[in-house]
Amino acid sequence: EAGVAQSPRYKIIEKRQSVAFWCNPISGHATLYWYQQILGQGPKLLIQFQNNGVVDDSQLPKDRFSAERLKGVDSTLKIQPAKLEDSAVYLCASSWRNTGELFFGEGSRLTVL
Amino acid sequence: GIQVEQSPPDLILQEGANSTLRCNFSDSVNNLQWFHQNPWGQLINLFYIPSGTKQNGRLSATTVATERYSLLYISSSQTTDSGVYFCAFSGGSNYKLTFGKGTLLTVNP
Repeated sequence: EAGVAQSPRYKIIEKRQSVAFWCNPISGHATLYWYQQILGQGPKLLIQFQNNGVVDDSQLPKDRFSAERLKGVDSTLKIQPAKLEDSAVYLCASSWRNTGELFFGEGSRLTVL
Repeated sequence: GIQVEQSPPDLILQEGANSTLRCNFSDSVNNLQWFHQNPWGQLINLFYIPSGTKQNGRLSATTVATERYSLLYISSSQTTDSGVYFCAFSGGSNYKLTFGKGTLLTVNP
């Protein structure tokens, strides 16, 4: 069974530029999550989708971050404009249901200069 | 709000030693998972364990939901066990999985 796929693995941009990350969850998983992990900290949930609807985006900085999950399958997370403090690893995860076991992708490491 | 506390924050072992990592949580449990984050940053599922006991090779985990804690046991540790171990929890009416701060394990040869 294929795991959670993410791209790109690495991205370096300058502040005020934009960036987009893509995630394809495990087939059949209804719930998709985007987490932000800053170096030395645990992952922090940015947004949770159930199919193509948003369940929780309370910690998403909506002035610069946006995410969508069209057709309830893959998802895109966008940052525009980026700030230095956005440097982090962006992790996508999926689960069969909202209390089910989460499986993570390898992450997308963002460096903002 | 939801609280997830892990202890100890850091642990240094000699190869072959055993260890116990603890996770305390603040509400009735919907979901509890243990992850290992390897040096390359990949989060590896260890256990999905909202209750009961599970074992997988040298690792085992127990969650006592009534007392709001979970334990991860590592026996006969190896250098490849090094990394950060995270407990993640959701509970009550909140289905958001919240991570603890992790335990940094270093296993020396």
